[in-house]
Amino acid sequence: QQQVKQSPQSLIVQKGGIPIINCAYENTAFDYFPWYQQFPGKGPALLIAIRPDVSEKKEGRFTISFNKSAKQFSLHIMDSQPGDSATYFCAASPHTDKLIFGTGTRLQVFP
Amino acid sequence: DTGVSQDPRHKITKRGQNVTFRCDPISEHNRLYWYRQTLGQGPEFLTYFQNEAQLEKSRLLSDRFSAERPKGSFSTLEIQRTEQGDSAMYLCASSKTGGFYEQYFGPGTRLTVT
Repeated sequence: QQQVKQSPQSLIVQKGGIPIINCAYENTAFDYFPWYQQFPGKGPALLIAIRPDVSEKKEGRFTISFNKSAKQFSLHIMDSQPGDSATYFCAASPHTDKLIFGTGTRLQVFP
Repeated sequence: DTGVSQDPRHKITKRGQNVTFRCDPISEHNRLYWYRQTLGQGPEFLTYFQNEAQLEKSRLLSDRFSAERPKGSFSTLEIQRTEQGDSAMYLCASSKTGGFYEQYFGPGTRLTVT
């Protein structure tokens, strides 16, 4: 019940495409859902986060869609660029307690 | 704001040796978290502090692991009698308390046990 399931494991898109990464959870106590971007050898960097009282949040080219009834949320990257090539992790937390991470999605954006 | 810093960035040690890592959180953050990340996996929670109090420890944190935050500022994570399975990236994060304050991660300490 503490797991966060993330898919796909890897994703390849052309520059300008819109990669979509999906996550699902079971624990209804989760009430904070951040996404992190990680480059090789670096720590995760917070991209965007959402609470369950909203269904969508946009920050720049990154959008989170949240479906509370289905217990699913997803990250969309608009107009993807080669510099977006990284590993993306979704996470969930019960009220800013510890983060439970998904297994990650390795994104490659080709020019 | 200098962000979360960790020291050392890399550590190579022989099996059976003890190692200690340090984390300095963002200055106004009173929560500090330790996570472990193995290759190809997401970070896994180890433990966290609010000020100097250690509020939760994961079952992943065996008795060979100990963490402290003596004055509510920097924290140390010690691993005694290291094993090859301890090889991982050890990540520190910090946040404020109250509301939905985000966790910010440091660059990590890469531990290799030979």
